[in-house]
Amino acid sequence: GAVVSQHPSRVICKSGTSVKIECRSLDFQATTMFWYRQFPKQSLMLMATSNEGSKATYEQGVEKDKFLINHASLTLSTLTVTSAHPEDSSFYICSAHRAGGSYGYTFGSGTRLTVV
Amino acid sequence: RKEVEQDPGPFNVPEGATVAFNCTYSNSASQSFFWYRQDCRKEPKLLMSVYSSGNEDGRFTAQLNRASQYISLLIRDSKLSDSATYLCVVNIPGNQFYFGTGTSLTVIP
Repeated sequence: GAVVSQHPSRVICKSGTSVKIECRSLDFQATTMFWYRQFPKQSLMLMATSNEGSKATYEQGVEKDKFLINHASLTLSTLTVTSAHPEDSSFYICSAHRAGGSYGYTFGSGTRLTVV
Repeated sequence: RKEVEQDPGPFNVPEGATVAFNCTYSNSASQSFFWYRQDCRKEPKLLMSVYSSGNEDGRFTAQLNRASQYISLLIRDSKLSDSATYLCVVNIPGNQFYFGTGTSLTVIP
């Protein structure tokens, strides 16, 4: 149990375009999902906490107008990277916590974004 | 001060060796603790939760010391397949999760 699906797994886009990444909890409801970014040889850095039915909470230094988060249902959160630039190229991972079990913190498989 | 601090390593150990990683956390109200394994260019995967009484899963033993605010992971009889980055994760009140920087382990034949 506690499966989180994320797609696309890999995307290449041109500078200035927008990219949407989806994160779904397949077998449980997630009122809260988390979005992380990981640069090569670095740990995961929390970008924002996505709350179902309300605005996301962004970490300091993360531009909320650039990284749009929508959590419209209990099983789906989306991250849209707007006006992407090469420096946005990174590994983006979502995760969710399933309450009531020892599942810890389940991650999606990640999205490798390359902006050219 | 960071919520979670972890020695990034790298740790290079021969096959069969025992290796231990520590991770310290700053928030005394932290509730849950986990060790994750991350292979290169992949997402982290849960290795084991860490319980107050300590817990063991095969060659892996996790311990929690609330007084000193650290958790540890011990790997016995290291295998080549244990080579990965090991992340400690701490859950603080408010359902926030914080990651250590990860400790890189390479097991050498």
